Amino acid sequence: DAKTTQPPSMDCAEGRAANLPCNHSTISGNEYVYWYRQIHSQGPQYIIHGLKNNETNEMASLIITEDRKSSTLILPHATLRDTAVYYCIVRVGSSNTGKLIFGQGTTLQVKP
Amino acid sequence: EAGVAQSPRYKIIEKRQSVAFWCNPISGHATLYWYQQILGQGPKLLIQFQNNGVVDDSQLPKDRFSAERLKGVDSTLKIQPAKLEDSAVYLCASSSSDRNTEAFFGQGTRLTVV
Repeated sequence: DAKTTQPPSMDCAEGRAANLPCNHSTISGNEYVYWYRQIHSQGPQYIIHGLKNNETNEMASLIITEDRKSSTLILPHATLRDTAVYYCIVRVGSSNTGKLIFGQGTTLQVKP
Repeated sequence: EAGVAQSPRYKIIEKRQSVAFWCNPISGHATLYWYQQILGQGPKLLIQFQNNGVVDDSQLPKDRFSAERLKGVDSTLKIQPAKLEDSAVYLCASSSSDRNTEAFFGQGTRLTVV
């Protein structure tokens, strides 16, 4: 079973920041948090991952709480092309061979 | 670099027939995953390989599903015989052995069982 809980859907206005929350209260100390997104009819696309420090790349920022029980994915300036299902995943096991167990994800709808 | 390649993209079969899917991971990636994604749901892990060995196949319905990864490179997933509830997208993903690295997914094979 997935170790994460996400809201089923969210809306965001184009050009505004999209903040997607995720709860992972049972995460273990060496388990990473990964975010993927899936646009209709495509395979999941990697966005970002982290262990306990905040991370940023060209796509998004990942904010992990100090107790590591929750995190937030931030898309700083959402566009219509960011409309997708976003999955928050705790990688169970080792960081390089651990299992990626998907939950139901959050459907983000970016509106004009 | 080339991504994860899967074929075919689409397949329609009748129930009780057999079907096979092929996956070629990114060159050098030791870990390979097969997922099943039913419409409206998140991907479900079926089997995970590390090189040519199975790491986890706890969710693989072994009475009808089989998978192999000969020589630790490409992989095939087979269903025999297929059931209506096997209609889904079958996704392959791969990742390297380096620590703290992401997995890359292919486009998937959409299977329809009629």
